[in-house]
Amino acid sequence: GAVVSQHPSRVICKSGTSVKIECRSLDFQATTMFWYRQFPKQSLMLMATSNEGSKATYEQGVEKDKFLINHASLTLSTLTVTSAHPEDSSFYICSASTGYGYGYTFGSGTRLTVV
Amino acid sequence: DAKTTQPTSMDCAEGRAANLPCNHSTISGNEYVYWYRQIHSQGPQYIIHGLKNNETNEMASLIITEDRKSSTLILPHATLRDTAVYYCIVRVDNAGNMLTFGGGTRLMVKP
Repeated sequence: GAVVSQHPSRVICKSGTSVKIECRSLDFQATTMFWYRQFPKQSLMLMATSNEGSKATYEQGVEKDKFLINHASLTLSTLTVTSAHPEDSSFYICSASTGYGYGYTFGSGTRLTVV
Repeated sequence: DAKTTQPTSMDCAEGRAANLPCNHSTISGNEYVYWYRQIHSQGPQYIIHGLKNNETNEMASLIITEDRKSSTLILPHATLRDTAVYYCIVRVDNAGNMLTFGGGTRLMVKP
C-alpha cells in the first residue's frame, strides 16, 4: 500500500534555531501534500497545503514566513520551522493523496520540542 | 465539507464489537464518509470509507443510514490495540481536497 515516510520522528532544538521536517511518498507520486499540527489532547489542525512546483497555501493564522514549505518534487515536501520558540512545540504530521479514492496516507509524525 | 458529530469517548470490552456512531446530517450528495483512527503519538490511519452502501474490509465495517445522515463504524472483535481516537470525516473524494478533523471519539478497549 501507499506509504508516506516522515523524518525525523522526534527532534529537540534550541529556541531561535530552525528545524526541517521531511515528508516523502515512497511508492507513489503526490502532487498535493498537507501539513497538520496537533497540540496535546487536541485534534489535527491543517496548517498548509503543499503543491508540487508552486507556492503552498496556508490556513488562516499560520505564518508563512515562519513555517516554510517546499514541495520541489512529486515525492518530497519539507516543512521548515524557522526561529523556533517553545510555543512551536507540537506534533507535526504530513499527509499525501494516493489519488485512488482512499483519502490520504499519513506520515508517522514529528514530535518537535523547542527548549 | 460537512460537519460531523461524534461522542467524545467510549469504552468497549476486549473481544466485543465496538460500534462508533457519527452524525453528519448536512452531508451533500457527493460527499463520502471516511473513518480514520489515531493511535497515541502516531499519524492517522485510514480505516474505511463509503458513499451510500455499507462497506466492509479487513479492519472494520461501515454502516451508512439510507438518508446518509449518520453512520456507524463497527470493529467486530475489538482488541487492546484498537484503543485510539477515531475520526469520522465527510468530504468530496477529490485528490486536492484536504481532510478536516473534528474532535473524534476516544475508544478505550478494556480487558
